[in-house]
Amino acid sequence: GDSVTQMEGPVTLSEEAFLTINCTYTATGYPSLFWYVQYPGEGLQLLLKATKADDKGSNKGFEATYRKETTSFHLEKGSVQVSDSAVYFCALSDGNTGKLIFGQGTTLQVKP
Amino acid sequence: DVKVTQSSRYLVKRTGEKVFLECVQDMDHENMFWYRQDPGLGLRLIYFSYDVKMKEKGDIPEGYSVSREKKERFSLILESASTNQTSMYLCASSPRVRNYGYTFGSGTRLTVV
Repeated sequence: GDSVTQMEGPVTLSEEAFLTINCTYTATGYPSLFWYVQYPGEGLQLLLKATKADDKGSNKGFEATYRKETTSFHLEKGSVQVSDSAVYFCALSDGNTGKLIFGQGTTLQVKP
Repeated sequence: DVKVTQSSRYLVKRTGEKVFLECVQDMDHENMFWYRQDPGLGLRLIYFSYDVKMKEKGDIPEGYSVSREKKERFSLILESASTNQTSMYLCASSPRVRNYGYTFGSGTRLTVV
């Protein structure tokens, strides 16, 4: 079945460092891809999404490009801030049911 | 601003109690979901519903039931709470449009003692 694999955390970076969180997927058909962010004690918020191959989603300085050839949707940010410390979830939508399938989540800690 | 509202942020219940977790959305979404989140286990789907009075089992339905009498409300019921149901519970909703994604509530942290 469909699945999402994220790099294991925690990821610890200094402020202003470059961020990459890897996400790869296995899916039949043409899923949409999503990144969600969860700040401490909160629910998940949609960060960005891409609905077809080569689409780039972007929001709040974060970007991810839907790469069909490598089945990847890596999250990047050029300069992280302490306020970006959170858990990040990659997800894909099941083409038949529309249900989201989530990765395990990657914890990011940014130190001043 | 569109919202998914979970009735309690924190809840403490005793073993054996019947527990109701309520979720209400104001976006007229057809689909609603209940997840639990535990350290190291990610998000696990408990139940979901694609329409009023409809329910489908997710990956871990044992010990839980749900109710969806109105489109905007999806309740999760712990029939007899146990300590291994101590967890963060997250409700989400989505429209029938498949590429929209989910809108999540803020979560209910349930402790069973």
